[in-house]
Amino acid sequence: EAGVAQSPRYKIIEKRQSVAFWCNPISGHATLYWYQQILGQGPKLLIQFQNNGVVDDSQLPKDRFSAERLKGVDSTLKIQPAKLEDSAVYLCASSLHRDRWNTGELFFGEGSRLTVL
Amino acid sequence: GDSVTQMEGPVTLSEEAFLTINCTYTATGYPSLFWYVQYPGEGLQLLLKATKADDKGSNKGFEATYRKETTSFHLEKGSVQVSDSAVYFCALSPSYGQNFVFGPGTRLSVLP
Repeated sequence: EAGVAQSPRYKIIEKRQSVAFWCNPISGHATLYWYQQILGQGPKLLIQFQNNGVVDDSQLPKDRFSAERLKGVDSTLKIQPAKLEDSAVYLCASSLHRDRWNTGELFFGEGSRLTVL
Repeated sequence: GDSVTQMEGPVTLSEEAFLTINCTYTATGYPSLFWYVQYPGEGLQLLLKATKADDKGSNKGFEATYRKETTSFHLEKGSVQVSDSAVYFCALSPSYGQNFVFGPGTRLSVLP
């Protein structure tokens, strides 16, 4: 079974430029998450989709970050314009479903490392 | 709000040493508890989990017991190997299907 695919693996941009990250979850997984992992910290949730609807985007900086999940499969996370503090690894994860007790396993991709100069 | 605290790393051990990584949490209700592991160059993957008090999660020789009285979920392994070198994340999922909260991670290095 193929895992969660992300691209690009690495991206270097200058501040105020834009960047986009792509994620393809495990086939059949209804729930998709984007996390931001700053060096030395644990992952922080940016946005969660259930199929193609947004469930939680309370921690997404909406003035510069946007995300979409077309047709309930692939997802794209965009940053425009980027700031120095956006340097981080952006992790995509998926799960089979979002049960009431949230005991389902999250499956993570390898991440996209962003460096903003 | 809900939070997870882990012992600071890095932790450096010799092969076959005993490992303990402490994890404590703050949460209302009855969260589920998890340990995720991130090997170099890879994404996070589930190591073990426990969904209610006194449950013990185990996998690959690692164990952790859900202790509600001490709000802890310490990770242990009796004899570590070089291949266990990774970053370990303690996490919780609050009650009623809310989203995961991750600790900051503990880097483990095992020397031959």
